[in-house]
Amino acid sequence: EIVMTQSPATLSVSPGERATLSCRASQSVSSNLAWYQQKPGQAPRLLIYGASTRATGIPARFSGSGSGTEFTLTISSLQSEDFAVYYCQQYNNWPLWTFGQGTKVEIK
Amino acid sequence: QVQLQESGPGLVKPSETLSLTCAVSGYSISSGYYWGWIRQPPGKGLEWIGSIYHSGSTYYNPSLKSRVTISVDTSKNQFSLKLSSVTAADTAVYYCARDGGGPTDYWGQGTLVTVSS
Repeated sequence: EIVMTQSPATLSVSPGERATLSCRASQSVSSNLAWYQQKPGQAPRLLIYGASTRATGIPARFSGSGSGTEFTLTISSLQSEDFAVYYCQQYNNWPLWTFGQGTKVEIK
Repeated sequence: QVQLQESGPGLVKPSETLSLTCAVSGYSISSGYYWGWIRQPPGKGLEWIGSIYHSGSTYYNPSLKSRVTISVDTSKNQFSLKLSSVTAADTAVYYCARDGGGPTDYWGQGTLVTVSS
């Protein structure tokens, strides 16, 4: 099983600041990496797939980068609606997806 | 607009079988894609349970494989999950979703299933 490790567990950021979230895979997943945003009481929402392609309707302030085992999600200027938990997901081993444990982005 | 809606009992007794159904609207299951189940224990992360194709081909998480059955009913445009011999560790919000070969673009709202006597 490919293990996905996210860091940090919690990120405290002020509105308008930049947030950088990391995701590491236990083995190469090429660019088969997605990012999701989840708010309390809601289902996850797909933000990024293919490591760097924004899903439909996702604002340009969200960007993804990386390949192989190291990935980054950057939110360029945090808006109030961006405070949430973010998960990475590898699907290189599809259909055996695995998710990271999540990074909570909270208001500083 | 693709929509998914989970339904089923919110409370299941230990050792019994959890059964959920996901009704899909706005897209015909027979047109393609895999359709999956994911769960999230309270306050914890996401775990993929398994996926099914309209033909009935299934893939399961190895950690749950011995207890999971996913089936599809194309005539009703829905698919179902059965998880047997449940314990408190199976208490979670269960989501159904469209599995696009990895990226999951459509999710149900989720349904909380509690395992308790």
